[in-house]
Amino acid sequence: GNSVTQMEGPVTLSEEAFLTINCTYTATGYPSLFWYVQYPGEGLQLLLKATKADDKGSNKGFEATYRKETTSFHLEKGSVQVSDSAVYFCALINQAGTALIFGKGTTLSVSS
Amino acid sequence: ETGVTQSPTHLIKTRGQQVTLRCSSQSGHNTVSWYQQALGQGPQFIFQYYREEENGRGNFPPRFSGLQFPNYSSELNVNALELDDSALYLCASSALAGGVTGELFFGEGSRLTVL
Repeated sequence: GNSVTQMEGPVTLSEEAFLTINCTYTATGYPSLFWYVQYPGEGLQLLLKATKADDKGSNKGFEATYRKETTSFHLEKGSVQVSDSAVYFCALINQAGTALIFGKGTTLSVSS
Repeated sequence: ETGVTQSPTHLIKTRGQQVTLRCSSQSGHNTVSWYQQALGQGPQFIFQYYREEENGRGNFPPRFSGLQFPNYSSELNVNALELDDSALYLCASSALAGGVTGELFFGEGSRLTVL
């Protein structure tokens, strides 16, 4: 079945540093891919998504490109801020199309 | 627009007891899903409800059951609680008819501790 693997954290960066969080997937076909973010004390929220190969999702300065050749959907941001400190989850849709399958999450801590 | 709300936010139960968690979906959303998030892990799909019927289920035993009501709100019931049931339980709603191709809107969760 479909699955997703993301790099383990925590990731600790200084403000304005470049961020990459790796995510690779195993899937039948080409399901939509997502990055969700969980800020402290808040519910999970969609950060960005890509629905087909070579699509680039972007939001709030974050980007991720759906690469079928490498089965990857890495999250990047050129200059992180303290407010980006959160837990980031890579996800894809299950084969039945009824649920999201999430990675284990990567904790990002950004210091000023 | 009211978001997804869950209750209670925290609760403590003992092994063998039963628990009911509640969720009000976002206005206009007809599909509700429940996820279990153990500490340090990603959310795992429990089941989804659409038109008051279960519309998909993850790898959870039958002692995890649910309901959806005509106003699209939902309950998650867990019987015979085990220590491993300690987790954050997340409710998510969507406007798509019984599927997941768009955005899921999550509540803040109910944190269950089983002693």
